[in-house]
Amino acid sequence: NAGVTQTPKFQVLKTGQSMTLQCAQDMNHEYMSWYRQDPGMGLRLIHYSVGAGITDQGEVPNGYNVSRSTTEDFPLRLLSAAPSQTSVYFCASSTLRGAEAFFGQGTRLTVV
Amino acid sequence: AQSVAQPEDQVNVAEGNPLTVKCTYSVSGNPYLFWYVQYPNRGLQFLLKYITGDNLVKGSYGFEAEFNKSQTSFHLKKPSALVSDSALYFCAVGGDKIIFGKGTRLHILP
Repeated sequence: NAGVTQTPKFQVLKTGQSMTLQCAQDMNHEYMSWYRQDPGMGLRLIHYSVGAGITDQGEVPNGYNVSRSTTEDFPLRLLSAAPSQTSVYFCASSTLRGAEAFFGQGTRLTVV
Repeated sequence: AQSVAQPEDQVNVAEGNPLTVKCTYSVSGNPYLFWYVQYPNRGLQFLLKYITGDNLVKGSYGFEAEFNKSQTSFHLKKPSALVSDSALYFCAVGGDKIIFGKGTRLHILP
């Protein structure tokens, strides 16, 4: 079991570029989420999904898109990168409502 | 809307002393409450959770948390701190979506 795998681990983008952060889990978890972590701000929820084909917005969804076509994958798309999106991004998954969440190792994104 | 507050940015405790990391929550209905820990350059690791039942919840690495409905609090505790407990601790609340607090940095002094 690899758990929750995020790729890439590091990325530098230029303002205006688009990219997709990948998240995959091999635990057959229904729930998946994306967070961003910024100093002094804790973790803020971007988008989440309670199952394939179902997504919803979190606390800070603007500038990000998600889709959930399979149980395993939950990619996060940055449409037009901005310096304010410089952050560490974490993907998480859990089996069901109220269950322990498993986190990936994070993607450190810098937008210049 | 659901939220959690961690009123302390940093907590300093001498090794061997008891520690408490504070958390208060706001949620409609019965809460699901969690504590997670983050070590440097790592993802978050689950410590413990409260869903229902006993107000004192025991978790990993000797940590426990006390649920207090009247004070809407869920403080993390440990009877005797270790230097290796130094890390960033997050309180969280939610069901379908989990909302995290801003985190408290715990520094255990040798």
